[in-house]
Amino acid sequence: DTAVSQTPKYLVTQMGNDKSIKCEQNLGHDTMYWYKQDSKKFLKIMFSYNNKELIINETVPNRFSPKSPDKAHLNLHINSLELGDSAVYFCASTKGNYGYTFGSGTRLTVV
Amino acid sequence: AQSVTQLGSHVSVSEGALVLLRCNYSSSVPPYLFWYVQYPNQGLQLLLKYTTGATLVKGINGFEAEFKKSETSFHLTKPSAHMSDAAEYFCAVSGPAKRGSNYKLTFGKGTLLTVNP
Repeated sequence: DTAVSQTPKYLVTQMGNDKSIKCEQNLGHDTMYWYKQDSKKFLKIMFSYNNKELIINETVPNRFSPKSPDKAHLNLHINSLELGDSAVYFCASTKGNYGYTFGSGTRLTVV
Repeated sequence: AQSVTQLGSHVSVSEGALVLLRCNYSSSVPPYLFWYVQYPNQGLQLLLKYTTGATLVKGINGFEAEFKKSETSFHLTKPSAHMSDAAEYFCAVSGPAKRGSNYKLTFGKGTLLTVNP
């Protein structure tokens, strides 16, 4: 009965590879987000989708491509991974503006 | 544009002592304000939120916060710290709910709370 679930929880990969992170929410929320948390714990928004429509696209390299097949799913694909992409990536969802529900995060390590 | 400043990246208290974590915000629209807690290797959990109405809001685990518009502050307090309160705490700001709004949350840099026995 997990509300926002991300897979995988850990991801270790080599530079130059392409990887995907998946997110699913069963809360009936209509807006989903990807946030990046760096090594200093700073949280920065990357993307937001509302009912499958991209509504926020911050200054993220175009190697990052989100995809929302339906309003319960938001995936993140990363091409040509770089060392600087190492971080924890959080998916979140909300309905209205009453606080996000976060997933438990995906720790990406690029070696 | 909105921003959040959390004063003190690290706060250390003794068990049973008052917890005070400071948050100041900047917003060009009436703010919605949030406090989140992050335990090690976990996601963020909503502690409490202020949207409209009563300026003193109570949250989970005995925490509360007071919205002070004149001071642009939303400090988090707890009368008596427990060891289990040790975690990273984030203050965040968003704009008011509007139809079609993106409800973007802008976070502060976090405050690590340690509780000493």
